Amino acid sequence: KQEVTQIPAALSVPEGENLVLNCSFTDSAIYNLQWFRQDPGKGLTSLLLIQSSQREQTSGRLNASLDKSSGRSTLYIAASQPGDSATYLCAVRQYFTFFPLLNTPLVFGKGTRLSVIA
Amino acid sequence: DADVTQTPRNRITKTGKRIMLECSQTKGHDRMYWYRQDPGLGLRLIYYSFDVKDINKGEISDGYSVSRQAQAKFSLSLESAIPNQTALYFCATSDSQGTGNTIYFGEGSWLTVV
Repeated sequence: KQEVTQIPAALSVPEGENLVLNCSFTDSAIYNLQWFRQDPGKGLTSLLLIQSSQREQTSGRLNASLDKSSGRSTLYIAASQPGDSATYLCAVRQYFTFFPLLNTPLVFGKGTRLSVIA
Repeated sequence: DADVTQTPRNRITKTGKRIMLECSQTKGHDRMYWYRQDPGLGLRLIYYSFDVKDINKGEISDGYSVSRQAQAKFSLSLESAIPNQTALYFCATSDSQGTGNTIYFGEGSWLTVV
């Protein structure tokens, strides 16, 4: 069974700092990995999606990397701002050898709650 | 207007009552999902549907049922609500085209069972 772990569970940093959020998964047979942002009491917004064949994706101040063989992904946030304060979740889409076209649901980590202090 | 709309957004109900959460989407996606989110447990999949005639149980389907009334509508029912079903419920949609498709979430429905 795929398990996704995010460390740390919570993180507080001063404004302007660069930071890294970590995500690990137990089964490297994945189609892709996604990073989401969730504001308190709100839905999830997709930030970046990395295909299993890719090493990284960038969007603005965000950079996500993927090392599928080691079961790890990182989300790098440059020059953090108070508006970045939210919970960040990663999720993987499983790949099944005997059903390679099966589009399986995402498996989520529990998230990292980020606070950026002004 | 939101691409994925959930109703109600907040509901307090009593133990034993039947409650339905509704979800509609305007993205034209064929795949729809219901998740619940609990503090410390992350998001867990309840049910998912890959098209109108397809319904699949997720990780925690006991105590829940779903109905895919149309491609754009997917409702979640608690036939006899219990307090440990108090949670934040999310509906989500995605496209079946390829495996690199993004998933879109609704704003969530807060359900409290007293």
